[in-house]
Amino acid sequence: GAVVSQHPSRVICKSGTSVKIECRSLDFQATTMFWYRQFPKQSLMLMATSNEGSKATYEQGVEKDKFLINHASLTLSTLTVTSAHPEDSSFYICSAGGQPPAPQHFGDGTRLSIL
Amino acid sequence: AQTVTQSQPEMSVQEAETVTLSCTYDTSESDYYLFWYKQPPSRQMILVIRQEAYKQQNATENRFSVNFQKAAKSFSLKISDSQLGDAAMYFCAYRSGASNTGKLIFGQGTTLQVKP
Repeated sequence: GAVVSQHPSRVICKSGTSVKIECRSLDFQATTMFWYRQFPKQSLMLMATSNEGSKATYEQGVEKDKFLINHASLTLSTLTVTSAHPEDSSFYICSAGGQPPAPQHFGDGTRLSIL
Repeated sequence: AQTVTQSQPEMSVQEAETVTLSCTYDTSESDYYLFWYKQPPSRQMILVIRQEAYKQQNATENRFSVNFQKAAKSFSLKISDSQLGDAAMYFCAYRSGASNTGKLIFGQGTTLQVKP
C-alpha cells in the first residue's frame, strides 16, 4: 500500500540549531502534504499545508519564518525548524495522500528535542 | 469552521469486552469524511476505519464498527472483543469532501486502556 517515509525519527540538538525534517511519498505522487505537531498526550495540530511548486499555507498562529516548508517535488516535502529553541521540542508528523476519498497516510514522525 | 470533539480523555475496558468511544463534530457541509485513527505508544498513526457522510450504512472493519448519526453529528467507535493490542490513543478526524487538499481536523483524543 501507499507509504510515507519521514526522516529523521529522532533529533537531539542544541538551542540555536536549524533542523530539517523530510517527508517522502514512496510509491505515489503527492501535490499536497501536511505537517502536524503533537505535544505529549495531546492531539495533532495542523501546522501547514505543503503545496508542490508553490508556497505553503500556514495555520493561524504558526510562524512562517520559524517553520520553513519546501515542497520542491511531487514526492518530497521538507520542514525546517530554524534557530530551534527548547519550546520547539515536540513530535512532528507529516501526512500525504490523494484527493478524497483516498485516505491520508502518515509518516512515523520525528521526535525533536532541543537542549 | 469545522470542529471535532472527543469528550472522553480516558477509557478502560476488560479484555474480550466491548467498548465505545464517542465523537461529535460540527460542520455546515454535506459532503465530508470521518475517520478513526489509532496511535499506539510507537506514535504511528494507524487508520482504523472511515465513513463517507453520504453513506447511511455504518462502516465496519472486523472488530471495529461505527455508529454514524449524521443528523446528530455523532460518530462513535465500537471495539468488540477488545485485545491488549487495542490499547492506544484513538483520534476521531474530519475531512471535508469539498476541499481537494484533504487536511484532517482531529479531536482531542481518547486514551484506551485494556485490562487483562
